[in-house]
Amino acid sequence: DTEVTQTPKHLVMGMTNKKSLKCEQHMGHRAMYWYKQKAKKPPELMFVYSYEKLSINESVPSRFSPECPNSSLLNLHLHALQPEDSALYLCASSQRGLKNEKLLFGSGTQLSVL
Amino acid sequence: QQQVKQSPQSLIVQKGGISIINCAYENTAFDYFPWYQQFPGKGPALLIAIRPDVSEKKEGRFTISFNKSAKQFSLHIMDSQPGDSATYFCAASSNMEYGNKLVFGAGTILRVKS
Repeated sequence: DTEVTQTPKHLVMGMTNKKSLKCEQHMGHRAMYWYKQKAKKPPELMFVYSYEKLSINESVPSRFSPECPNSSLLNLHLHALQPEDSALYLCASSQRGLKNEKLLFGSGTQLSVL
Repeated sequence: QQQVKQSPQSLIVQKGGISIINCAYENTAFDYFPWYQQFPGKGPALLIAIRPDVSEKKEGRFTISFNKSAKQFSLHIMDSQPGDSATYFCAASSNMEYGNKLVFGAGTILRVKS
């Protein structure tokens, strides 16, 4: 299995809802990432987990809560989001989180906040 | 604050022509420069990458040229094909103490006309 799998592919939620995005990889990668991508913009780093520990938080609002239950799974819990949070949320993984490693991206979850 | 500047925003090239995308950076801590290709509805995929101790790297029809003194690098796509039509992002990375932090340029939408 050589891919990063994200579920769901599409999600519509209201501003008072709580939902979660899921990301899974079975390549033995020990670094996992959440990126946010608005339409026609580049991906923006949100969080990095390295060996299941949060290593980078790019000053993301607390309504986004990441979780890494084990080395294969990464979740992003969403609560009280705003319409401007509507975007494509991308998960990625790499072997150990070093700079010269290939980041392997999933296809993303397209999130719409109403 | 845009750490990696990319141009042009969009590019139309005839089939068989050469596509050229340019990037520039300011932060001298950057020392790994990948290019990612993104098709609609998909996550970015690594195309080719270079380190600053190398002035050029070629993989098939794709070549990165790197000018360390000018802090500029570019992607050349030779014999461009309609299947190359996608958004291309240059990126830069430095290994922080806490993990790999990849910064993307704004992106170039390439359309190859058949």
